Amino acid sequence: NAGVMQNPRHLVRRRGQEARLRCSPMKGHSHVYWYRQLPEEGLKFMVYLQKENIIDESGMPKERFSAEFPKEGPSILRIQQVVRGDSAAYFCASSPLLAGGRDEQFFGPGTRLTVL
Amino acid sequence: KNQVEQSPQSLIILEGKNCTLQCNYTVSPFSNLRWYKQDTGRGPVSLTIMTFSENTKSNGRYTATLDADTKQSSLHITASQLSDSASYICVVRSSGGSYIPTFGRGTSLIVHP
Repeated sequence: NAGVMQNPRHLVRRRGQEARLRCSPMKGHSHVYWYRQLPEEGLKFMVYLQKENIIDESGMPKERFSAEFPKEGPSILRIQQVVRGDSAAYFCASSPLLAGGRDEQFFGPGTRLTVL
Repeated sequence: KNQVEQSPQSLIILEGKNCTLQCNYTVSPFSNLRWYKQDTGRGPVSLTIMTFSENTKSNGRYTATLDADTKQSSLHITASQLSDSASYICVVRSSGGSYIPTFGRGTSLIVHP
């Protein structure tokens, strides 16, 4: 049973370009979370999705950022017109159906985005 | 506002020594608390989970404690090894309906030979 997979592991973009980050959850997991981590900072929640639904996007900037988790395929975090401040590590986590709140989030290895 | 504070921010110890990391939280109502280990360049991995009724839980050389009254948790590492060098993150989940856990900023531990 493969773990959470993220690709690419490293992504370099110039200012103004688009960044597209992919996350394949663990088999059987229907919940996906995206987090951003700046250097020397903690993980910051961005968005929580289930298949074909955005459950909570309260941590995601209103502009330029979007996320989806289609019925088929990986979850995508899309950043349009990237700026240098978007440079960070983006982590995806997945979990199974909630079970009394004890569900564990399994994290992927992250995508390190560098904006030149 | 739900918050998780960790201390110290960073810690350097010699191999073989013990250390204790602290976590204070204001998350309410409380559901559970997890300690994660994050190696450099990798995603966090869960070490332990504590619920309201649990005071102590061990996972090998890692022992977590929880005082739900004072809203404090600690992670004790015994006989540290070089591979323990990592960031240790305290994460608290509320039972109040939000699916989003609250993360601490982590304690960066460096174990020197």
